[in-house]
This record gives sequence, C-alpha cells and structure tokens, in this order.
Amino acid sequence: DTGVSQDPRHKITKRGQNVTFRCDPISEHNRLYWYRQTLGQGPEFLTYFQNEAQLEKSRLLSDRFSAERPKGSFSTLEIQRTEQGDSAMYLCASSSDRKDYGYTFGSGTRLTVV
Amino acid sequence: AQKITQTQPGMFVQEKEAVTLDCTYDTSDPSYGLFWYKQPSSGEMIFLIYQGSYDQQNATEGRYSLNFQKARKSANLVISASQLGDSAMYFCAITGGSYIPTFGRGTSLIVHP
Repeated sequence: DTGVSQDPRHKITKRGQNVTFRCDPISEHNRLYWYRQTLGQGPEFLTYFQNEAQLEKSRLLSDRFSAERPKGSFSTLEIQRTEQGDSAMYLCASSSDRKDYGYTFGSGTRLTVV
Repeated sequence: AQKITQTQPGMFVQEKEAVTLDCTYDTSDPSYGLFWYKQPSSGEMIFLIYQGSYDQQNATEGRYSLNFQKARKSANLVISASQLGDSAMYFCAITGGSYIPTFGRGTSLIVHP
C-alpha cells in the first residue's frame, strides 16, 4: 500500500476560479478526513466521511466548499469562487474503524490564490 | 468539545540531548486518544506515538515516549538523543467519541549540531 495520495501537490489559481482536489485513502480505510492548515497553525478539521456518508462538517466549510466520496473510496474537495483567504495547505487523512488510532495523512495540496 | 494547548511556539535542543514538548488537553469524553505527529518542511504529517486514556503505561516508540499525566491532563512528548533530522513542527492531537482528531498549534523544534 502506498499510503494516502493527494493530487495535485501544488495549485496556483486566480481569485474567483474553481479548484478541485483529490484524495486517495489507504484502500482498507473506511474513514476519510479533510483538514486545512494555514501558516503557523495546526490542521483545522473541515469534514469527515465514513464510507460514502459525510458525517460531519465544520463551520469552516462554507457554502463555497463541497466534498464528496461517491463510492466510499477516493474523495474530492471542491472550492468554488476561490478567495485569497482560501490559500492554505489542504490535508487528507484516512483511518479504519477497526482501530481507534492510526490516522494516516497525505502530503497535502498547497493552494495559492492570486 | 476537545481542545489541545501547546504553549511552546519554538524549542531548541543540542544534538544528542533529550527534549520535552508540552501538550495539555481538555475533553468531555470519558475515553479518548492522544497523538503526536511530526511535520517536516515538506508538509506531510508523520505519526509518531499514540496513548489511549485507559492505557496503564506510558507509550514508547523508539526514541519517542509520551509522558501521560491524566490528572493534570497533560501528554508531553519526550524525544531522547535528538538528531538533526528531528528538526520539524510537532503537533499534539486528541480524539474522542467522534473519531475526529483535534490538533494544537504546534511546536517548532530546532536541533543544533
């Protein structure tokens, strides 16, 4: 298993454009998480899936953000009408409900909105 | 609600010395887990060590140990025999019944030769 994969690693976009990020979790992990991390801060929770069901969304996830995990495998995070304040590292993590620990993170997608 | 507090924005340590990174937590969950992650400049979050709230012994993983003091709600990370490659951001995190990790703001560790 190659771990959690995120694509792209870097994204530069103009303000107002839409962007989509992809996360491929560890294959046997049924839980998937998205976090946002800005400079000097710890990761902040955005949303959580168990299989294909989106069970939890943070207040940080404004209506410009949407996340999907259609078949309970990979997930996408879309940001519409990007703003400069969306510039951050977007981290994906996965875990298994068979273990209470073992959250594996991807390398993240660094978004820069210009 | 869960909260992690890391009060040390930056720490410096001499190579081969031990260092302690502080973490205090707050939770209303009776059962919870505490984690430490390392984040080098490349950005990936690397899992270091886990402590369950009902574990009788402090967790150890190689050079990493977790000094768990439940009554004080602290879960400090001890790194023994620091190496230059240990220079990174270190994050403490907690999970409870929701299985959603909550992270602290992190501590930057710099190891001097």
